[in-house]
Amino acid sequence: QSALTQPRSVSGSPGQSVTISCTGTSFDVGGFNYFSWYQQHPGKAPKLIIYDVDKRPSGVPDRFSGSKSGNTASLTISGLQAEDEADYYCCSYAGSYTSFGGGTELTVL
Amino acid sequence: EVQLVESGGVVVQPGGSLRLSCAASGFTFNDYMMHWVRQPPGKGLEWVSLISWDAGSTYYADSVKGRFTISRDNSKNSLYLQMDSLRTEDTAFYYCAKGMDSSAWYELDYWGQGTLVTVSS
Repeated sequence: QSALTQPRSVSGSPGQSVTISCTGTSFDVGGFNYFSWYQQHPGKAPKLIIYDVDKRPSGVPDRFSGSKSGNTASLTISGLQAEDEADYYCCSYAGSYTSFGGGTELTVL
Repeated sequence: EVQLVESGGVVVQPGGSLRLSCAASGFTFNDYMMHWVRQPPGKGLEWVSLISWDAGSTYYADSVKGRFTISRDNSKNSLYLQMDSLRTEDTAFYYCAKGMDSSAWYELDYWGQGTLVTVSS
């Protein structure tokens, strides 16, 4: 069992777009479209923001979008807002277990 | 309103045991797969275990396999995690999380606030 790979940190200015990548293998990210993204603010529980690669739960702004190509999935946040500053985690089904990425800290400059 | 409330986190010595509980409300508990996810203070998320809606299937991370046991009591709307042979590296906030449906492996739509387990001598 191995963790998915995310950049440790990304940053962007308000109004800009940022993309967070998540790289796995053909046994997890590349093998299935069973993929999700979570947002976690300090001291809070994680919140589901994307599932099934590119679907948004109700209440999640359409500024958040997901995609996948090969063994890499991406989360794009457009029109950055101060409230988007948080940690972001990818998550994938991996056959007989669930794997999270190491997390990416997003800083809104 | 969906609510998940974890309890049972304490300070325990290495080699000790502990049982975490998660009380669920606001949804039909026995319709959903349930998970435990942990997070060491200041670090990232780590999936721990899942249990199917009917408790017929359970899965574990390699790091806890053979030491932790997940279970549920649908009559009590409760999820449990029995933790044995605890190690210092098991120190973490433990979150109870609800799957989006009966077969949800990766889409966890509601989370509790977590309970802190500290393994230390």
